[in-house]
Amino acid sequence: AQKVTQAQTEISVVEKEDVTLDCVYETRDTTYYLFWYKQPPSGELVFLIRRNSFDEQNEISGRYSWNFQKSTSSFNFTITASQVVDSAVYFCALSEARGGSYIPTFGRGTSLIVHP
Amino acid sequence: DAGITQSPRHKVTETGTPVTLRCHQTENHRYMYWYRQDPGHGLRLIHYSYGVKDTDKGEVSDGYSVSRSKTEDFLLTLESATSSQTSVYFCATGGESYNEQFFGPGTRLTVL
Repeated sequence: AQKVTQAQTEISVVEKEDVTLDCVYETRDTTYYLFWYKQPPSGELVFLIRRNSFDEQNEISGRYSWNFQKSTSSFNFTITASQVVDSAVYFCALSEARGGSYIPTFGRGTSLIVHP
Repeated sequence: DAGITQSPRHKVTETGTPVTLRCHQTENHRYMYWYRQDPGHGLRLIHYSYGVKDTDKGEVSDGYSVSRSKTEDFLLTLESATSSQTSVYFCATGGESYNEQFFGPGTRLTVL
């Protein structure tokens, strides 16, 4: 079973539409960290957000918002009024403790295509 | 920008040959990681390091070894490359393991 499930392999929207990328995780730990990264067509990986398991407060950054719900083990990412520049592969990741370190596991990614 | 470089950026090699990929960072980050990215699999951790000479295996470590003799350098070695190791390899760093990671530009490796 995957520890991080991004069930949407690919999403296609038209510019200005809102879109939500789902991330469901599985862990038995009480302390863990969740992340979102963006990989645009140019290939580099860019950090977007980090959340620890004790902070369920939702976050908004411009057109981006994240909804963390421990009750459903989900950490979803919403882009409001999408733009062509948002086209990218988005990865959700979970870091769990292993020995003295937190080791990340990435989801398989969701490819977002925003059409003009 | 964490100042992470990878070399080479592209490499084509033949099955059975040894290959070494280098990751260099200028941020003095304690943690360094090697991932491979394949279609349909996302990013999978190969090995990671939590300090000089301190390394551990990730989920897909078979066929790979690593070394970290200096804080700034993390080497990934394929002792005898196979076609299944054709992939894009990313190096990443982090100040602490629970922090976000900063990624290098990637190395595209093709094993014929």
